[in-house]
Amino acid sequence: AIQMTQSPSSLSASVGDTVTITCRASRDIKNDLGWYQQRPGKAPKLLIFGSSYLQSGVPSRFSGSGSGTDFTLTISSLQPEDFATYYCLQNYYYPRTFGQGTKVEIK
Amino acid sequence: QVQMVESGGGVVQPGRSLRLSCAASGFTLSSYGMHWVRQAPGKGLEWVAFISFDEKRTYYADSVKGRFIISRDNSKNTLFLQMSSLRPEDTAIYFCAKDLSFGSDWPRFDPRGQGTLVTVSS
Repeated sequence: AIQMTQSPSSLSASVGDTVTITCRASRDIKNDLGWYQQRPGKAPKLLIFGSSYLQSGVPSRFSGSGSGTDFTLTISSLQPEDFATYYCLQNYYYPRTFGQGTKVEIK
Repeated sequence: QVQMVESGGGVVQPGRSLRLSCAASGFTLSSYGMHWVRQAPGKGLEWVAFISFDEKRTYYADSVKGRFIISRDNSKNTLFLQMSSLRPEDTAIYFCAKDLSFGSDWPRFDPRGQGTLVTVSS
């Protein structure tokens, strides 16, 4: 199975900061990479699919980039509701695989 | 309004079986591929299984292959996960998710979904 390695595993930031989370695939997955946000006790929410396509209703401060094996999620001007855990998901090979998650905490 | 409600979880002994259900409403289940994703307590997300809209394709995580079976009853708008030979490491909240759209198989969860908790313990 494809291994997805996310970094960092956690980070502390302030409201208004820009944060970047990276995800690396163990094999080329083209641009079939998505990003999910999960708040405590809630179901995951799809933010970005196809590496850079913003899911409907997701604020434009979220952006994604990358292809092949290296991908990035950027959150510009961090808002209080953005403090959550973020996961990448490779959607190219079965079985699908998630990264281990990045917890974004308030500094 | 899309809604997916998981049920069927509970406490079960190692080696036993359990069947989870996901009741779908607000969309035509027969038009979408469906997924199961789980999350062990305090841990990350793990994709578990997928079934295509027409039931012709199923895929599983290596950790459950040969023990779990995903199925669907489109006439009842319900997705299932039959879990056998359960292990303590199968303990998790199980979420169902639908494809983002027809032909776009990104898992999309019900924002109000709570999942169903499976605890495997003697």
